[in-house]
Amino acid sequence: GESVGLHLPTLSVQEGDNSIINCAYSNSASDYFIWYKQESGKGPQFIIDIRSNMDKRQGQRVTVLLNKTVKHLSLQIAATQPGDSAVYFCAENYAGNNRKLIWGLGTSLAVNP
Amino acid sequence: EAQVTQNPRYLITVTGKKLTVTCSQNMNHEYMSWYRQDPGLGLRQIYYSMNVEVTDKGDVPEGYKVSRKEKRNFPLILESPSPNQTSLYFCASSPQGRGEKLFFGSGTQLSVL
Repeated sequence: GESVGLHLPTLSVQEGDNSIINCAYSNSASDYFIWYKQESGKGPQFIIDIRSNMDKRQGQRVTVLLNKTVKHLSLQIAATQPGDSAVYFCAENYAGNNRKLIWGLGTSLAVNP
Repeated sequence: EAQVTQNPRYLITVTGKKLTVTCSQNMNHEYMSWYRQDPGLGLRQIYYSMNVEVTDKGDVPEGYKVSRKEKRNFPLILESPSPNQTSLYFCASSPQGRGEKLFFGSGTQLSVL
């Protein structure tokens, strides 16, 4: 989920397990959602996006699920690998906000070998 | 290789000494943006540019300037840096406008003493 204060929520998983990272978004008018991955010492990297006319989208080893009823977004990573260890950010936007991205504070994923 | 290049990677300076952080992208993107990243505050947009000679304030523009004289370059200028501008800075570009699929640089860690 989204973080408060100075400490990111951390999800710890075993290598090979599936990971689910959750995000509660803020605005019911948001119609575009995006996930980024930030590895230590690097800039955020695009993972996958989804528009509000869909409730699921799959990429390579990743799936994004969108539940507009409860304003919830999740990122599922299949067969998590050590290289998946990173901070994951969700972001949203909507036309009425001039398409400005509204960023979550991130979730840290730690993969144990 | 398609990329966003920022320089320098690390910078230590003193209060009041003007500095410029350069950003260049080789993907012919029209949209470029600057963010700062601080613990507990996430990514906050400083300035953005929809195209050459078009720049707009983001969420935290105070103390910063930008210019967009050519499509590939978007320098961030701190005319009189202060310690509260100590942060990790990211430049980003996008082929699709303000809120979608940003490509980030590797970051500039700035310390203002």
